[in-house]
Amino acid sequence: DIVMTQSPASLAVSLGERATINCESSQSLLYKSDNKNYLGWFQQKPGQPPKLLIYWASTRESGVPDRFSGSGSGTDFTLTISSLQAEDVAVYYCQQYYNTPRTFGQGTKVEIK
Amino acid sequence: QVQLQQWGAGLLKPSETLSLTCAVYGGSFSGYFWSWIRQPPGKGLEWIGEINHSGSTDYNSSLKSRVTMSVDTSKNQLSLKLSSVTAADTAVYYCARVLVRTLGIFSRGYGMDVWGQGTTVTISS
Repeated sequence: DIVMTQSPASLAVSLGERATINCESSQSLLYKSDNKNYLGWFQQKPGQPPKLLIYWASTRESGVPDRFSGSGSGTDFTLTISSLQAEDVAVYYCQQYYNTPRTFGQGTKVEIK
Repeated sequence: QVQLQQWGAGLLKPSETLSLTCAVYGGSFSGYFWSWIRQPPGKGLEWIGEINHSGSTDYNSSLKSRVTMSVDTSKNQLSLKLSSVTAADTAVYYCARVLVRTLGIFSRGYGMDVWGQGTTVTISS
C-alpha cells in the first residue's frame, strides 16, 4: 500500500496569513501515460463529510476559492491557503489515486492563531 | 445537482452484518466509480472499496474477507455490507462519487467530488 504522510499534524495561522500543508507519498503518484499526479486534497469541517478541493495535485475543483492551491509532483505535494479566512478552520487530508487501496494522509488540523 | 443520500442501521451488536445503502439523485450512475469510506470517532479516513456501474469491485485488502459492495442501476443505488462486525468497525460511513478519467481501455479514478451525509454506525453489545 502507498503510505501518505502529512505534516504538520496541526498548525495555527493568523487570519490573512499563509498556511502550508505538506504531503509525501511512499511512491511516485505520477502516471506517465498522461503526465498527471493522482493526488487529491480534501477539507473536512466538524460534523461534515470531506469536501474535494484539489485533484491531479493542482487542479482546483469548481467553486473552490482561489486562495487554495496545490503543487508538487512525484512524491512531494503541498496545499497552500494563501490568506487564511475564519471559514478555513478544518482538517485537511491528502489522498492518492495512483492505485488501490486509495490511502489518505493522517490529516492536518488548521486553526486560527 | 447530484446528491447522495445514505441510510442504514446505526446500532449493531458484535458479529452482526452492517448494511448501508446510498442513493444517487440528480445525476448519472454510469461513468463514475462509487466508493465507501469510513472514519472512526476522532480519527482519519479509511477507504473501504469501490464499485463501478457494471458491478466490478475493488476492496481494501484489510477488509476484503468481510466486505461486499453491489449496485442496483435500476434504482441508482449502491450498497455496502460488512460482516462479523466488532467494536473496531464503529465509525461514520460515507459513500462518495469518484471522478474517472479513461485512457484507452483503462479507467482511473482521480477525485471524490460528491459525498453522502454520512451514517454513524456503532457496534456495541
